[in-house]
Amino acid sequence: GDSVTQMEGPVTLSEEAFLTINCTYTATGYPSLFWYVQYPGEGLQLLLKATKADDKGSNKGFEATYRKETTSFHLEKGSVQVSDSAVYFCALSDRDYGQNFVFGPGTRLSVLP
Amino acid sequence: DSGVTQTPKHLITATGQRVTLRCSPRSGDLSVYWYQQSLDQGLQFLIQYYNGEERAKGNILERFSAQQFPDLHSELNLSSLELGDSALYFCASSLRDRNTIYFGEGSWLTVV
Repeated sequence: GDSVTQMEGPVTLSEEAFLTINCTYTATGYPSLFWYVQYPGEGLQLLLKATKADDKGSNKGFEATYRKETTSFHLEKGSVQVSDSAVYFCALSDRDYGQNFVFGPGTRLSVLP
Repeated sequence: DSGVTQTPKHLITATGQRVTLRCSPRSGDLSVYWYQQSLDQGLQFLIQYYNGEERAKGNILERFSAQQFPDLHSELNLSSLELGDSALYFCASSLRDRNTIYFGEGSWLTVV
């Protein structure tokens, strides 16, 4: 079945450092890909998404490019802030071949001042 | 504010009891999803409903059941509760399959 793999962390960075969180997926069809963020004590919020190969999703300085050839959707940010400390979830949606939304295990990011 | 409303926000109950969690999806959304988030197992998909009908089932225990009503709100019923059922239960909604899903703030369940 469909699955999502991402680095589990925790990841600890200093403010203004470069961030990469790796995400790879396995899907039978042609999924849409998402990054969700969960701040402490809150629900998951959509961060960005891409619906087809080579699309780049971006929001709040974060970016991710849908790479079909490497089945990846890595999350990047050029300069992280303390306020970016949260858990980040990679997810895919592929209704044609089973469960609608599949989430990765989440990566906890801590940014130190 | 995602527009998905969950009640109650916090619930403490004893082992063996039964609770009902309620979810109101965003206006116009037809799909409702239930997830369980615990410290050791991450985010686990439980079940999805689409316009009143069960659409997909994940790792939902037989002690748990859900339904989606004609007004599209959904309820998750948890019975014969065990300590291990303590978790954060999220509801999410989307307009159709493959669309972005929007999460509520969750219902914290503590079983003592």
